[in-house]
Amino acid sequence: DAGVTQSPTHLIKTRGQQVTLRCSPKSGHDTVSWYQQALGQGPQFIFQYYEEEERQRGNFPDRFSGHQFPNYSSELNVNALLLGDSALYLCASSPGLAGPDADTQYFGPGTRLTVL
Amino acid sequence: DAKTTQPPSMDCAEGRAANLPCNHSTISGNEYVYWYRQIHSQGPQYIIHGLKNNETNEMASLIITEDRKSSTLILPHATLRDTAVYYCIVRVYSGGYQKVTFGIGTKLQVIP
Repeated sequence: DAGVTQSPTHLIKTRGQQVTLRCSPKSGHDTVSWYQQALGQGPQFIFQYYEEEERQRGNFPDRFSGHQFPNYSSELNVNALLLGDSALYLCASSPGLAGPDADTQYFGPGTRLTVL
Repeated sequence: DAKTTQPPSMDCAEGRAANLPCNHSTISGNEYVYWYRQIHSQGPQYIIHGLKNNETNEMASLIITEDRKSSTLILPHATLRDTAVYYCIVRVYSGGYQKVTFGIGTKLQVIP
């Protein structure tokens, strides 16, 4: 049973460019969340997708957008990249079932984005 | 979600029990305590969660005080592979609404 997978593992972009990161949730999971983790900090919630819609959003600008596909996989898009967008981007999935286990998230290995 | 306080770092000898404390004095009755850990350069890994009873799984034990204002994660026999940042998170059950607020966590160093 594959866990959460993310691609690419590393990415280097320049300021002003756009980037797309991809995530495949754990088998049986239908909810995907994205997090940004700057060096030395804890992950910060960006947004969550369920049934192909953004259900909840953290304090991130509109430059950050996403999408969820019918197979529950997801993309994170960041436009007009800034140096401060350099971080580890994490995808997490959960079963989306009723009960406390619905809140248990399983994280992927992350994509390391460097903006020069 | 209630705020948590953890020590920034701890050391533990290999083979000994690692006891990681977490204070959550403002926790409310419907908030769960979750623990995750993050090994260097990897994504966070779920460890355990509980509401008020002590919980145990194959990875760790979670001890929650009777007043629920603090908890301790116990790794019974720490190994070098347990070196990681451990995050204590308190949150209301949200039915799958997954916004999780991570703090800085405790950096556990297991020493040979």
